[in-house]
Amino acid sequence: EAQVTQNPRYLITVTGKKLTVTCSQNMNHEYMSWYRQDPGLGLRQIYYSMNVEVTDKGDVPEGYKVSRKEKRNFPLILESPSPNQTSLYFCASSATPFSGANVLTFGAGSRLTVL
Amino acid sequence: AQKVTQAQTEISVVEKEDVTLDCVYETRDTTYYLFWYKQPPSGELVFLIRRNSFDEQNEISGRYSWNFQKSTSSFNFTITASQVVDSAVYFCALSPPPSQGGSEKLVFGKGTKLTVNP
Repeated sequence: EAQVTQNPRYLITVTGKKLTVTCSQNMNHEYMSWYRQDPGLGLRQIYYSMNVEVTDKGDVPEGYKVSRKEKRNFPLILESPSPNQTSLYFCASSATPFSGANVLTFGAGSRLTVL
Repeated sequence: AQKVTQAQTEISVVEKEDVTLDCVYETRDTTYYLFWYKQPPSGELVFLIRRNSFDEQNEISGRYSWNFQKSTSSFNFTITASQVVDSAVYFCALSPPPSQGGSEKLVFGKGTKLTVNP
């Protein structure tokens, strides 16, 4: 089944404890992206990647890192999580560099709580 | 800059009522795409529809219909004869035109929470 898989789906952690949210897609998609969803703010892009080794900042990149060493994987790294990073995170991918002509496929979401 | 406004934060209806979710967008681009996504209580994002800026035909899919009007920069979503299973948060989104071979993101509205009561 074609899908975007995120792990973990739920995580409670403490301030300052490094964590990684993994994202993997099995559709050979070039474009991948991370969004966070917060009440009253909708979804905002954190980082995106047009292809392997090509990443760039979205609207809210502070406190996050990403890497794209393989086409299928796009992990989101929180080096020193803080409570304001408590959120619902979505990974997404599309076949070619996203142009709106493609449809973004979203993962199921990862709910992160930072205490 | 692109912007999507969903003025209705929450809507509550009784089953079988029709309901319209409003979406107003702002863009200076002549080429763009508009989307609607559904987020049920389980949390995943479900793609509903994509519309490009050159296609103003309304679309109907079962109980769902979409009204795209460039003159008012609106892309409204109507659910006819609503059902409890329609209860979800609905997001309208805008894709800017591609740059450097690809567009960077979807610009989302803040969402409208629809509750359909039995």
